[in-house]
Order: sequence, then C-alpha cells, then structure tokens
Amino acid sequence: DIQMTQTPSSMPASLGERVTISCRASQGISNYLNWYQQKPDGTIKPLIYYTSNLQSGVPSRFSGSGSGTDYSLTISSLEPEDFAMYYCQQYDSSPWTFGGGTKLELK
Amino acid sequence: EIQLQESGPGLVKPSQSLSLTCSVTGYTITSGYDWSWIRKFPGNKMEWMGYISYSGSTNYNPSLKSRISITRDTSKNQFFLQLNSVTTEDTATYYCARTYYYYDGTYYLNWFAYWGQGTLVTVSS
Repeated sequence: DIQMTQTPSSMPASLGERVTISCRASQGISNYLNWYQQKPDGTIKPLIYYTSNLQSGVPSRFSGSGSGTDYSLTISSLEPEDFAMYYCQQYDSSPWTFGGGTKLELK
Repeated sequence: EIQLQESGPGLVKPSQSLSLTCSVTGYTITSGYDWSWIRKFPGNKMEWMGYISYSGSTNYNPSLKSRISITRDTSKNQFFLQLNSVTTEDTATYYCARTYYYYDGTYYLNWFAYWGQGTLVTVSS
C-alpha cells in the first residue's frame, strides 16, 4: 500500500494567515492526489482533485501543488469557515489511501 | 441533488458482524461510478474499505478482504456493508461515498465526490 504522510497533524493559525499543509507519498503517485475538508459537524467535501484543480464552488484562496511524492495544500488567507480537518488521498494505486489529517485550529 | 445516508446499529459486540446501509437519492446506483465505504477512526485516521461498482463488481481493501462484504439492493437504491468478526479496533465513524472518475487516455481523474453524513459504530461488550 502507498503510505501518505501528512504534516502537520495540527496547526494553530490566525484569521488572514497563509497556511500550507504537506502530504508525502511513500512512492511517486503521478499527481493522482486529492484533498478533502471535514467540518466539525462531520461533513466531508472534496476540495481539490488531481493535485491542483479546484472543485466547483471552492474559493480561490485554496490551491494545490506538487509532483512525484510531495504535495501541498495552501490557503492564502484564512477565513473563519476554513478551520476544519484536511485530508490528502492518493488514487495512483488501490487500495486508495489517505493522509493522517491536519486539524486547522484558531490560534 | 445526490444524497447518501448511512444507517445501522450504533453499538456492536465484539466477534459479531457490523451491518450498515447506505441509502442513495438523486442518482441510481446502477447508472455509473463506484460506491464506497470509508471509515474514520478515533484519532482521525481514514481508511477506504471497498466499493461496489455500478455493474455490481466489488473491490476490497486487502487489509479487510477476509471480513468484508459489500452488496446492494438495486430495487431500493441501497448498498450495504457487512464486516465480520469485529473487534474494538473497528470502532469508527463509517461513511458511504460515491466516486467520480474520468479517463480520456491522458488524464485520469478519480475522487470521492459525494459523502454521507457518517454514522458512529462502537464495538463494545
């Protein structure tokens, strides 16, 4: 299985701050990398697909980048609704696997 | 609007079977895509468990292969999870989800596009 290592596991941050979450795969995944957001009420929604493509309706302050084994999610200026859990997920090979999650918390 | 809703017992005893239902509205499960079960453990780790495709074929995570079964009732537009011989390690929030995938020879896109709200299952005596 491809292991996904996501860092940090938690991140205190302030409104308006720029933050970056990292995700490293145990082997190259050819940009087959998605990001998800889980809100405190448990709802999960897709944010970014194929490394850098924003899902419909996702604000442009979100962006994704990376290649090979290293990927990242950046939020350019934190809004109150962005404080949530974030997960990366690879689909290069089955079984699809997720990173351990990053909890974005208000500082 | 596509909606998925999990249902089932919130408490299961060790060594018994866990059974959950995912009810789908807004899309017919035989029309396309894969229909997955995913779980999130206390401590936030997430695990894809397996899927049943629109055609009825299945694909399971090898870590669960001997214990898992995903089936469906097309007349009710539902699909099901059965996990046998559960232990306390199976305590988790269980989600059902539908993928979106696309391949044109160059781009391969695949993500979990629609999710249920999740249902907490606790394994305890």
